[in-house]
Amino acid sequence: GDSVTQMEGPVTLSEEAFLTINCTYTATGYPSLFWYVQYPGEGLQLLLKATKADDKGSNKGFEATYRKETTSFHLEKGSVQVSDSAVYFCALITDKLIFGTGTRLQVFP
Amino acid sequence: GAGVSQSPRYKVAKRGQDVALRCDPISGHVSLFWYQQALGQGPEFLTYFQNEAQLDKSGLPSDRFFAERPEGSVSTLKIQRTQQEDSAVYLCASSLVGTGGSNSYEQYFGPGTRLTVT
Repeated sequence: GDSVTQMEGPVTLSEEAFLTINCTYTATGYPSLFWYVQYPGEGLQLLLKATKADDKGSNKGFEATYRKETTSFHLEKGSVQVSDSAVYFCALITDKLIFGTGTRLQVFP
Repeated sequence: GAGVSQSPRYKVAKRGQDVALRCDPISGHVSLFWYQQALGQGPEFLTYFQNEAQLDKSGLPSDRFFAERPEGSVSTLKIQRTQQEDSAVYLCASSLVGTGGSNSYEQYFGPGTRLTVT
C-alpha cells in the first residue's frame, strides 16, 4: 500500500542553520505531496504542497521539490528560527491522506 | 472565519465507558475526515464523509467505532466500550471539495480531542 517514510527526530539545530528533513514515498499512481506542521499546542497546518513531478512547494522560507525519479519530497529551509520549532509531517494523497510519523525540529538560539 | 473546532479537547474515560467526540467543520465544507494519532506517530485515517454520506470507513479499527454526520455538517465519532489502546488524539479535518480523482484539495484540521482511557 501507499506509504511515507521520513527521517526520525529530533533534529536539533542552532538558529540560522540550514535544515533538511528527508521524506520518501511509495505510491501507486500519481499522488500529491504535502508537508504539514504542528506547533506546540496547536493543530496540524498545511505548510506547503506539490501536485505533480518537478513542482516546488514553498511557504515561510520552506521549500520542497516533488522528485518522481527518487520518490522524494525533502523539506529544506536555508536559515531556521527558534519559532520554527515544531513537528513536521510529510504526507501524500491518492484516495486518502497518508502521513509519515513526523520529525520533531528543535531550534536553539 | 472560524476554523474546525472539536470538543471536548480532553476526555478521560474509564475502560468500558462509551465516549462521543464532536467535530464542527468549516461552514460550507463538503468533506469531513476523522484521524487517529497515537503518541509519537502521524495521524491515521479513520473515516470520510461527503456531505452526510460516509463514503469510506476502512480505517475504523473495530466495530466499537462509529461515526455519523446526519445533516452534512457536524460530525460525531463514537467509541463504545473504550479500551486502553483507544487512547490517542482524535483529529477532525474538513475540506471544501470532495475526493474521487481530485488530489489537490486542502484539508483543514481541528485541534484534536485527546482521549485517555484508564
